[in-house]
Amino acid sequence: NAGVMQNPRHLVRRRGQEARLRCSPMKGHSHVYWYRQLPEEGLKFMVYLQKENIIDESGMPKERFSAEFPKEGPSILRIQQVVRGDSAAYFCASSPLSGEQFFGPGTRLTVL
Amino acid sequence: DAKTTQPNSMESNEEEPVHLPCNHSTISGTDYIHWYRQLPSQGPEYVIHGLTSNVNNRMASLAIAEDRKSSTLILHRATLRDAAVYYCILRRIIQGAQKLVFGQGTRLTINP
Repeated sequence: NAGVMQNPRHLVRRRGQEARLRCSPMKGHSHVYWYRQLPEEGLKFMVYLQKENIIDESGMPKERFSAEFPKEGPSILRIQQVVRGDSAAYFCASSPLSGEQFFGPGTRLTVL
Repeated sequence: DAKTTQPNSMESNEEEPVHLPCNHSTISGTDYIHWYRQLPSQGPEYVIHGLTSNVNNRMASLAIAEDRKSSTLILHRATLRDAAVYYCILRRIIQGAQKLVFGQGTRLTINP
């Protein structure tokens, strides 16, 4: 059973470009969470999604950030017009209806 | 969210037991105590969780104080691969969301 997959593992963008981060949950998991980790800090919750629904986006910045989890395909975290402060590791986790969250290896975004 | 307090760092020797403390004086009756760890350059990994009784699994033991205001993660025989940041998290289900609130964690160093 493959774990949570994230791609790309590393992403470099210039200021003003768009970043798209993908997350494929574990088989059978219908709940996806995105977290951001700035250098030398703990993870911060961003958004929690179920298939085709955003359940909790209380940790998402109000502008430039969006997330989706379509009926088919991976969950996408999209950052428009990236700025240097967006440089961080972005982790996706998935879980079944109730149970532990399993984390992916993360995408390390660098904004030049 | 109820807050947890952990020492910033701890150090131990290989093959010795390690006791990682966590204070959570504002814990509510329905909060579960979870421990995750994050190895360098990886996503967090579930370690163990409990509610009131002490818990054991193949990775660690969790000792929970009788008043539940503190807990201790016990690694019975540390190895170099246990060097990581350990997060103590209170998990509260709010309106179906199961987000994890990470603190700064304890950075555990294992000396050979």
